[in-house]
Amino acid sequence: DAGITQSPRHKVTETGTPVTLRCHQTENHRYMYWYRQDPGHGLRLIHYSYGVKDTDKGEVSDGYSVSRSKTEDFLLTLESATSSQTSVYFCAISGGQGKNSPLHFGNGTRLTVT
Amino acid sequence: AQTVTQSQPEMSVQEAETVTLSCTYDTSENNYYLFWYKQPPSRQMILVIRQEAYKQQNATENRFSVNFQKAAKSFSLKISDSQLGDTAMYFCAFSPHGGSQGNLIFGKGTKLSVKP
Repeated sequence: DAGITQSPRHKVTETGTPVTLRCHQTENHRYMYWYRQDPGHGLRLIHYSYGVKDTDKGEVSDGYSVSRSKTEDFLLTLESATSSQTSVYFCAISGGQGKNSPLHFGNGTRLTVT
Repeated sequence: AQTVTQSQPEMSVQEAETVTLSCTYDTSENNYYLFWYKQPPSRQMILVIRQEAYKQQNATENRFSVNFQKAAKSFSLKISDSQLGDTAMYFCAFSPHGGSQGNLIFGKGTKLSVKP
């Protein structure tokens, strides 16, 4: 398995609180991504990064921000969590330094906003 | 907009038999990548197979093969000699050529159950 660690594995939080999810990789890959998975929607891209301090929005970026200060870490922040952000969040990395290499996923974080 | 459609929400197959999962997509791109991912109950997303649109030959990986019909924008997955461990959600995904392969557009998935 690609060296991707997501933390925490599970989290329950209250509406209106800030939440940060962490993705850590040991593969030194350039590209990192955050997806969310919801029943009936498959996976949808939230944000991605193509290098340190280089990030861009995906399909469902509203209400989320990201940061990448080091190659190995990609943080996803919900500034003020809402119930609609209850989901399973997956981090992914590209399987190499090139752009056209397949994705490898972390094990996901289940977030519940009450 | 680019879309991916999996028309079979659930399927079942007997162990050792063959099953085909359907996927269609819509794009105006000429070069792109298509994928099938497997998600077992453990929740991990596992790449099953990848197809590059400019390659006419269908991709195969052991018991998994695809039927890629570019003109019809169809990309079905065939699983031969089904095993109990193949029980999972299967997602079809699309990525435009030239962009990072991580910018994937996923279908909603097909839940496959392999019965003993």
